[in-house]
Amino acid sequence: GDSVTQMEGPVTLSEEAFLTINCTYTATGYPSLFWYVQYPGEGLQLLLKATKADDKGSNKGFEATYRKETTSFHLEKGSVQVSDSAVYFCALNIIQGAQKLVFGQGTRLTINP
Amino acid sequence: GAVVSQHPSWVICKSGTSVKIECRSLDFQATTMFWYRQFPKQSLMLMATSNEGSKATYEQGVEKDKFLINHASLTLSTLTVTSAHPEDSSFYICSARRGQMGLVGDNEQFFGPGTRLTVL
Repeated sequence: GDSVTQMEGPVTLSEEAFLTINCTYTATGYPSLFWYVQYPGEGLQLLLKATKADDKGSNKGFEATYRKETTSFHLEKGSVQVSDSAVYFCALNIIQGAQKLVFGQGTRLTINP
Repeated sequence: GAVVSQHPSWVICKSGTSVKIECRSLDFQATTMFWYRQFPKQSLMLMATSNEGSKATYEQGVEKDKFLINHASLTLSTLTVTSAHPEDSSFYICSARRGQMGLVGDNEQFFGPGTRLTVL
């Protein structure tokens, strides 16, 4: 079945460091891909998305490119801030039926000043 | 736009009681709503998918008689945890999708802030 595998956390970085969180997927067809962020005690917020191969999603300095050949959607940011500390979820939507989202296990990111 | 609210944001109840959680799409009509459960430091587990005016579709292993879902209107879905027990304590998150099933394009889900349920 469709699945998402994320880089295991937790990840701890210093402010202004470069961030990469790896995400690979297995899917039938061509799903849309998403990154969601969850701040402590809150629900999920969409960070960025890409709907087809080679699309690049970007928001708040974060970027991810839909790579069909490597079935990947890695999240990157050039210079992280303390306020980026959160849990990040990679997800894909199942394009058949109810178009459910399938989430990766989440990666907890902590940025130290 | 595309705001989803949940009420209550947290609830504490005694074992054996029932708890109702509301999920509302505030500025759009949601043909489909989803209910998730999240355990501490874990990912979201889809519990069920509900479409307005029809019965919810539950994921494998989710007891439909314990987790009652009602999607009575295009802006409101409720999850009732019946006869709650301590193992039901969790963070429950709903999401709503604006588009229609079968239409590729507007498949984005908008998430509520979550409800933390603690059963004593």
